[in-house]
Amino acid sequence: EADIYQTPRYLVIGTGKKITLECSQTMGHDKMYWYQQDPGMELHLIHYSYGVNSTEKGDLSSESTVSRIRTEHFPLTLESARPSHTSQYLCASSPTGTGIHEQYFGPGTRLTVT
Amino acid sequence: AQSVTQLGSHVSVSEGALVLLRCNYSSSVPPYLFWYVQYPNQGLQLLLKYTSAATLVKGINGFEAEFKKSETSFHLTKPSAHMSDAAEYFCAVSLGGDMRFGAGTRLTVKP
Repeated sequence: EADIYQTPRYLVIGTGKKITLECSQTMGHDKMYWYQQDPGMELHLIHYSYGVNSTEKGDLSSESTVSRIRTEHFPLTLESARPSHTSQYLCASSPTGTGIHEQYFGPGTRLTVT
Repeated sequence: AQSVTQLGSHVSVSEGALVLLRCNYSSSVPPYLFWYVQYPNQGLQLLLKYTSAATLVKGINGFEAEFKKSETSFHLTKPSAHMSDAAEYFCAVSLGGDMRFGAGTRLTVKP
């Protein structure tokens, strides 16, 4: 069973607030990812990291930012939340090394911005 | 660039009936393919993966998928549906480290 955690699980917040979605994994994986998931749509990669101090933007443009100061921690921050940010956010990780590795997912954070 | 298309956003079967969820991929070279399942209010969980070792791949919970290069398909099947199989299923393709997901198929199982 994958050990990847996300908090909070649910968040309802007003427009303009700053929020941070937490993601932690205890598997020692170098690669970590943030996806945005909307009903009936494919998962969209918004950020990824291949290791400490490495962060990249994904395919979907996002106003969020991420940091990777520790291997196990990959938080996502929205400086000023807007209703358009309402979505489900999934964090994932995968190991490096030879072979093709699946991604391990956290339970997700469902964000609602009012 | 690689991509996947899942045919049918909703599939409904009766308990005990065959489950068939369709996935077609687009890739210039043979890709690596995955099926994930997502239960309500949870993240995605790996069902099975194809990494070119064998074209018929067996996964957890009685699911299997067959890689057909000539049809560029990787359909997911289960001989007999159970109520607990009701969930969202995602096909994904990976090439060079990037993973692309389909839009998902919601499986409903009727008693």
